[in-house]
Amino acid sequence: AQKVTQAQTEISVVEKEDVTLDCVYETRDTTYYLFWYKQPPSGELVFLIRRNSFDEQNEISGRYSWNFQKSTSSFNFTITASQVVDSAVYFCALSLLRLNAGGTSYGKLTFGQGTILTVHP
Amino acid sequence: NAGVTQTPKFQVLKTGQSMTLQCAQDMNHNSMYWYRQDPGMGLRLIYYSASEGTTDKGEVPNGYNVSRLNKREFSLRLESAAPSQTSVYFCASSEALMWANSYEQYFGPGTRLTVT
Repeated sequence: AQKVTQAQTEISVVEKEDVTLDCVYETRDTTYYLFWYKQPPSGELVFLIRRNSFDEQNEISGRYSWNFQKSTSSFNFTITASQVVDSAVYFCALSLLRLNAGGTSYGKLTFGQGTILTVHP
Repeated sequence: NAGVTQTPKFQVLKTGQSMTLQCAQDMNHNSMYWYRQDPGMGLRLIYYSASEGTTDKGEVPNGYNVSRLNKREFSLRLESAAPSQTSVYFCASSEALMWANSYEQYFGPGTRLTVT
């Protein structure tokens, strides 16, 4: 069975501080997919990034960066120079691709418990 | 494109009542999913439909039924609501194409359900 652990339940920072959200996952599959989703106070879930298990290249997108390390089964997310608008719940998720009887591929997400990030002005 | 839509946005039920949550997507995705979100537990998969005409149980299917009405629509039914089903319900869809390298799920706005 798959498992995703976000050990940080809540993080509180002051605007402009850098903050890293931790994610550790467990799976026996060698091919898998990792995601980060953001859930702002309005409640919707916003897709941020996807990573494949065979692509360990880390990525920077504006103030966001991701650090994927297979050796430690971690997929951490860093916000540089945090802003009040970054306040949200952040979820890390793991997906394994499967084929159904009809040959259609699909993926079921296993989510972590979420980390509540509060950025104070 | 509206993406994934869900109705209703809010609902209050009494124990034992039934209701159906509706979900539709306009992205021509094959796969659709229902999740519930409870405080401190992230999202958990209730049922999914890998393709039109198929449905399968997820992690927490007890007390629910689903119908994949067509490629666009996937409904979730509570036959006899219980207070333990008080939660926020999210519908999602995805096009899991191995060769397209694109598997992310897109979520609807959610339905906040309270069972008293």
